[in-house]
Amino acid sequence: SYVVTQPPSVSVAPGQTARITCGGNNIGSKNIHWYQQKPGQAPVLVMFYDSDRPSGIPERFSGSKSGNTATLTISRVEAGDEADYYCQLWDRSSDHYVFGTGTKVTVL
Amino acid sequence: EVQLEESGGALVQSGGSLRLSCAASGFTFRNAWMSWVRQAPGKGLEWVGRLKSIGEGGTADHAAPVKGRFTISRDDSKNTLYLQMSSLTTEDTAVYYCTTMYSSAFDSWGQGTLVTVSS
Repeated sequence: SYVVTQPPSVSVAPGQTARITCGGNNIGSKNIHWYQQKPGQAPVLVMFYDSDRPSGIPERFSGSKSGNTATLTISRVEAGDEADYYCQLWDRSSDHYVFGTGTKVTVL
Repeated sequence: EVQLEESGGALVQSGGSLRLSCAASGFTFRNAWMSWVRQAPGKGLEWVGRLKSIGEGGTADHAAPVKGRFTISRDDSKNTLYLQMSSLTTEDTAVYYCTTMYSSAFDSWGQGTLVTVSS
């Protein structure tokens, strides 16, 4: 089955930039979506189709992709951005959906 | 505003069965593709299965760990999505989320319902 890897954790100081990566075979050909999940809450879609922001998501959140790595970037990080972040894609060959392993973002 | 409310989570013994429901409102349910996603305690997100709208075939697909044991269905007259689970094991212990789908993304989520399978 398709495997999507993320770093387990990222630490960032307030006001700085956090970058969360998502890697997988041939990921450049797949649409990547990103979710934010705060403790005790349901996930929230924060980025879709690599770099599109749903309404209500701050412009500080941006997405990009290069080669076999997709990246969610959070600029001017705030304490409220502390959460787990998951990337996700659709695997065309199996017609199944795959989540990344998740990254815990800690605001120092 | 999209609202999804899951129910039916419970403590069940290994080998048992359970049906989860997801009541939907705020959008045209009959046209929506829907999914279930689960999260075991302290673990990441795992896709469980997807159900297309009736207009697009109404077919369901399930992830390998649950295939043959879980079945997703819908009642468009009640704006409700279901997840019938059988032959449950402790590995199925998780919070189960109902989601709407925008293309291949899960764009709205319910608050989840907890299923605990005891040995």
